[in-house]
Amino acid sequence: GAGVSQSPSNKVTEKGKDVELRCDPISGHTALYWYRQSLGQGLEFLIYFQGNSAPDKSGLPSDRFSAERTGGSVSTLTIQRTQQEDSAVYLCASSLTAGSVIDTQYFGPGTRLTVL
Amino acid sequence: AQSVTQLDSHVSVSEGTPVLLRCNYSSSYSPSLFWYVQHPNKGLQLLLKYTSAATLVKGINGFEAEFKKSETSFHLTKPSAHMSDAAEYFCVVSPGGYQKVTFGTGTKLQVIP
Repeated sequence: GAGVSQSPSNKVTEKGKDVELRCDPISGHTALYWYRQSLGQGLEFLIYFQGNSAPDKSGLPSDRFSAERTGGSVSTLTIQRTQQEDSAVYLCASSLTAGSVIDTQYFGPGTRLTVL
Repeated sequence: AQSVTQLDSHVSVSEGTPVLLRCNYSSSYSPSLFWYVQHPNKGLQLLLKYTSAATLVKGINGFEAEFKKSETSFHLTKPSAHMSDAAEYFCVVSPGGYQKVTFGTGTKLQVIP
């Protein structure tokens, strides 16, 4: 595809339900990131994948959050037992890795999650 | 470990006057540095990047940034602000060594007519 895609674009769920967010990175991009952006706030790093492995999960806010990446491509971010404070826009970005340096990140349009 | 500090959370300038958005970084390696822009209700877009070539980097929409290793700075400038420049700007460091990139906390630029 031409760019990073995310689905769904909007998700409304009830407190306590599980949600799964999907990211399709640009083909060939080895690095993939998940971020969270709450209303009026900056970017909060969640997790970083290099290929299928996640060298840095330090940003996941609790054990209710998990992510996986398969085939070095698609990634899913799962939030279990959602809480109202999970409401935010979840952004995915992918990039090439030049040597050991992460190059330009290309961002998807985001998934807007609303927990009622 | 790496870090990025954007010294101003908000900057307000008059249309037609210069823009200066400040960014300082720390990194254990020789980093790549980026500026991204996010317009209201829009996605994040790359403005410019430094990757150890020329220290003065030109980006889109008339913005440029200068990498100063001695000052560990990568400030973003534009000679003359336009109303369409009103947005939030993020400074980003990519330290190398397969370490994750780190975003600054952002600077909201307001342009007054």
